[in-house]
Amino acid sequence: ETGVTQTPRHLVMGMTNKKSLKCEQHLGHNAMYWYKQSAKKPLELMFVYSYEKLSINESVPSRFSPECPNSSHLFLHLHTLQPEDSALYLCASSQDRGRSMPYGYTFGSGTRLTVV
Amino acid sequence: QKEVEQNSGPLSVPEGAIASLNCTYSDRGSQSFFWYRQYSGKSPELIMFIYSNGDKEDGRFTAQLNKASQYVSLLIRDSQPSDSATYLCAVNGRGSTLGRLYFGRGTQLTVWP
Repeated sequence: ETGVTQTPRHLVMGMTNKKSLKCEQHLGHNAMYWYKQSAKKPLELMFVYSYEKLSINESVPSRFSPECPNSSHLFLHLHTLQPEDSALYLCASSQDRGRSMPYGYTFGSGTRLTVV
Repeated sequence: QKEVEQNSGPLSVPEGAIASLNCTYSDRGSQSFFWYRQYSGKSPELIMFIYSNGDKEDGRFTAQLNKASQYVSLLIRDSQPSDSATYLCAVNGRGSTLGRLYFGRGTQLTVWP
């Protein structure tokens, strides 16, 4: 049973819709991440939150908006998406111990997003 | 631009054989290396990590790191059909990209009975 829970598991939305993806971690980690996984492409980092502050935004289009209200919860707000945004969106968490070598990530089960 | 390269496969081995998965990376300063396993339709699962040159063994899995050659590999001994999955290599960022993992495209492994 993963310590990182993502909801919903599947989402179909129209290009004019607004929806949110939710991630919750029960591991006491202090860093959380959003990744996008498309077919035939490497995992793409989207956002990194460290101690509830946005530390990395990988030039993600503004139609994706992250939110981290506390150390256990992470959201990805979606609006006016395009069909090419259809992908598996993965949330991950890790414990940033301030060392030069990061600890491994724990991934959630992902949300399979289809934009129609 | 940090790159992590893996052969996409598919790699097909018979049950009981050794599966060898390879990964090269472009950033010579990388210090942490991870192997994730991803079953179809599932999320990646960490199976091995290695920081130091040489070999690290965990059960049927051995990770090998050669920093001079910027090469990391994963050996799976006595392969089982349940090992059939995509294996992702990941490398840490450093400096301004500390806290970020860079992933390869993954190698699809099939173990046939």
